[in-house]
Amino acid sequence: GNSVTQMEGPVTLSEEAFLTINCTYTATGYPSLFWYVQYPGEGLQLLLKATKADDKGSNKGFEATYRKETTSFHLEKGSVQVSDSAVYFCALRNRRGGGKLIFGQGTELSVKP
Amino acid sequence: SQTIHQWPATLVQPVGSPLSLECTVEGTSNPNLYWYRQAAGRGLQLLFYSVGIGQISSEVPQNLSASRPQDRQFILSSKKLLLSDSGFYLCAWNDLAGDGEQYFGPGTRLTVT
Repeated sequence: GNSVTQMEGPVTLSEEAFLTINCTYTATGYPSLFWYVQYPGEGLQLLLKATKADDKGSNKGFEATYRKETTSFHLEKGSVQVSDSAVYFCALRNRRGGGKLIFGQGTELSVKP
Repeated sequence: SQTIHQWPATLVQPVGSPLSLECTVEGTSNPNLYWYRQAAGRGLQLLFYSVGIGQISSEVPQNLSASRPQDRQFILSSKKLLLSDSGFYLCAWNDLAGDGEQYFGPGTRLTVT
């Protein structure tokens, strides 16, 4: 079946550090891939997406590349800020599953000044 | 543009009392609608989804039910709340014409005492 695995958190970084949050997936065919961000007490916001192999999604300095060969969609940012502290979710949508998304367990990021 | 609303934002209810949470979407027609619960940890659990008026699919057996009386209205209910129903409830929608990304409401924090 379809599944998403994210690296365990919490991840604690200093401001301006480089961020990587690993995400790997299992799916049949060619799923669409997403990263969502959840700030404390809020709903999830779509951060970026990629719909086919080698696509790179980017937004607000975050990037992730759809790697079919390694079934990965790692989230990166070159210089994190305190305001990036949040929980990050990786997700996939397999068209055979209709509109449903499969989410990873979430990775908490804490950025210290 | 599309917007999604949830209310109430917070709710404290005693064990055994009924529950009704409401979600409405504006600016789109015939969306897919979803209810998620996020318990004390960070993971998202899909509870129900709906592809049209009166069409409800349940993902997990539980104390809750859902209804979709109108195209852009999704209601989560319970006749008798349990302590284990406490959590953060999120409503989301998507449009299969897109890439499958879901858009989330601000959530309802439910505490059952």
